[in-house]
Amino acid sequence: SQQGEEDPQALSIQEGENATMNCSYKTSINNLQWYRQNSGRGLVHLILIRSNEREKHSGRLRVTLDTSKKSSSLLITASRAADTASYFCATAPFSGGYNKLIFGAGTRLAVHP
Amino acid sequence: ETGVTQSPTHLIKTRGQQVTLRCSSQSGHNTVSWYQQALGQGPQFIFQYYREEENGRGNFPPRFSGLQFPNYSSELNVNALELDDSALYLCASSTGGSGNTIYFGEGSWLTVV
Repeated sequence: SQQGEEDPQALSIQEGENATMNCSYKTSINNLQWYRQNSGRGLVHLILIRSNEREKHSGRLRVTLDTSKKSSSLLITASRAADTASYFCATAPFSGGYNKLIFGAGTRLAVHP
Repeated sequence: ETGVTQSPTHLIKTRGQQVTLRCSSQSGHNTVSWYQQALGQGPQFIFQYYREEENGRGNFPPRFSGLQFPNYSSELNVNALELDDSALYLCASSTGGSGNTIYFGEGSWLTVV
């Protein structure tokens, strides 16, 4: 079963607007990673945020993590048509001792010129 | 470019056949894992290999098996193919231990008819 739940399932915005995607999860985690996937292709790693971190930035991306609420958000500022893709959060649980990621179903982002 | 390469890109198999998918991990990465992504869903963890040993497995039947070679490249084998095995198969590599960034390849699209 999938732990992460992304919200919204789909998001449609105009170029230049900001896009916010949310992710909730169920169990304690070691870290949370966000990925982008263009249609039918592999996953591109965006940001890793550890459980003891609250916020990370990378270029136009900002990720927050609230472990008390078991939730994370990904903000893309000044969006571009090239940002059109599916975005997934993936959690790395503490249990198992190996690098297993649990994905949600993703948010499909469409950025219109 | 993640440095993770997979082959073949696309293939079509008949129900009941067997398939082998291949993955070359990023240089220096000794851990490889495999994921199955059905259309419209997030990836699901199949299993992970570390130093040529399987050290973690998701909820997949034994007909899904794998190998990791001394150069850390890997194979995913699926026997007795079923129609529901049609999916994008993603290989991911990382350094050993939990909590590290996991890099994905472009995937292999498998269609079972």
